[in-house]
Amino acid sequence: DADVTQTPRNRITKTGKRIMLECSQTKGHDRMYWYRQDPGLGLRLIYYSFDVKDINKGEISDGYSVSRQAQAKFSLSLESAIPNQTALYFCATSSRTEPYEQYFGPGTRLTVT
Amino acid sequence: AQKITQTQPGMFVQEKEAVTLDCTYDTSDPSYGLFWYKQPSSGEMIFLIYQGSYDQQNATEGRYSLNFQKARKSANLVISASQLGDSAMYFCAMREPGSNDYKLSFGAGTTVTVRA
Repeated sequence: DADVTQTPRNRITKTGKRIMLECSQTKGHDRMYWYRQDPGLGLRLIYYSFDVKDINKGEISDGYSVSRQAQAKFSLSLESAIPNQTALYFCATSSRTEPYEQYFGPGTRLTVT
Repeated sequence: AQKITQTQPGMFVQEKEAVTLDCTYDTSDPSYGLFWYKQPSSGEMIFLIYQGSYDQQNATEGRYSLNFQKARKSANLVISASQLGDSAMYFCAMREPGSNDYKLSFGAGTTVTVRA
């Protein structure tokens, strides 16, 4: 079984709809991250969390919110989706030991029409 | 300002040959970490190799090696003996210097296509 899972894997939604992307991990890591990937821009950090009580904005948090329901679960919400939020979204966790590499989920491909 | 620069959007390499992917970074902090990830067409992100700023030796992992030139702020990935399965997008990333949140900043990526 995958250590970091994301649901759904693909989603098409309409402008203005609320949507939630979910992430679960079995690695026991404290730190979790949400990124979006756009062609030619690499991955950009949306939000990250140290634990259930610690949520931090990343580079591009506008239009997004997150919830850390438990150590193992970190959800990303688009309150009112817009077409330029069409992207590939990744959840990741960070190892507790050097070099603190990040482990990524399989990604969610989101299309907003 | 962009912290990680990958200037090669796409590259072709012949099977069994070596290929070098360029990465330059920008930081004034002496302590940082550099990573390379591989993203095949299936989409997942696979961690390949890591170089710490204080590491004396260039990192190696199997057919992957990192040509780390600290003074030039470059961390190029070398893939030796290319295989068809190496066709993918490759991302260079830097761990934010001086932070304990282990955030990564990514470059735009380089697409590698291995030809038979």
